[in-house]
Amino acid sequence: DIILTQSPLSLPVTPGEPASISCKSSQSLLHSYGKTHLDWYLQKPGQSPQLLIHSISSRASGVPDRFSGSGSGTDFTLRISRVEAEDVGVYYCMQAPETPPYTFGQGTKLEIK
Amino acid sequence: EVQLVESGGGLVQPGESLRLSCAASGFTFSNFWMHWVRQAPGKGLVWVSRINPDGSGTAYADSVKGRFTISRDNAKSMLYLQMHSLRTEDTALYYCIRDSFQLGTYYGMDVWGQGTTVTVSS
Repeated sequence: DIILTQSPLSLPVTPGEPASISCKSSQSLLHSYGKTHLDWYLQKPGQSPQLLIHSISSRASGVPDRFSGSGSGTDFTLRISRVEAEDVGVYYCMQAPETPPYTFGQGTKLEIK
Repeated sequence: EVQLVESGGGLVQPGESLRLSCAASGFTFSNFWMHWVRQAPGKGLVWVSRINPDGSGTAYADSVKGRFTISRDNAKSMLYLQMHSLRTEDTALYYCIRDSFQLGTYYGMDVWGQGTTVTVSS
């Protein structure tokens, strides 16, 4: 099974400052048909996870443009250009494979300093 | 409004069975792949199972294979997870999720329910 490793696991950030989270895969996530389905989800305190980014860099509907995703192969990054108080929570990367199982990273907890 | 509402969770003893349900509304349920994902208390997200739109194709995590069965009733817009031989390690919040994959294009797991809690304890 593919293992996703996130870093850091804890991320204290001052409001207005940028933040980035890394997600490294144990093997390439490139599908045979040329797509890479690496997503980012945010679980705010007390809430269900919500989709932020799909397919490495495509923002989901309604997601602010301060969120961006990048990467390829085995290395991926979620960036927040200017962190706001409402961004607190746990961020997960997830890979959607051609053949299951799907896997999530361990999660990165973003908190406001 | 697009919505997924889970039900059926509860407290059971090890070895017992439970069936989770997920009621979908606000979208054409029969067009979408669906998943179950679980989250143990204080832990991260773990994928459990997936089913294709017409119910003919399923997949499971190794940890539940042979014990859990995913199914759907498209006429009722319902997703199910039948769980047998429950173990203490199955204790978790179980989420029902819509997978937006359609016509060969993937847009992420875009709709999540609020979850239903399963507790396996003697």
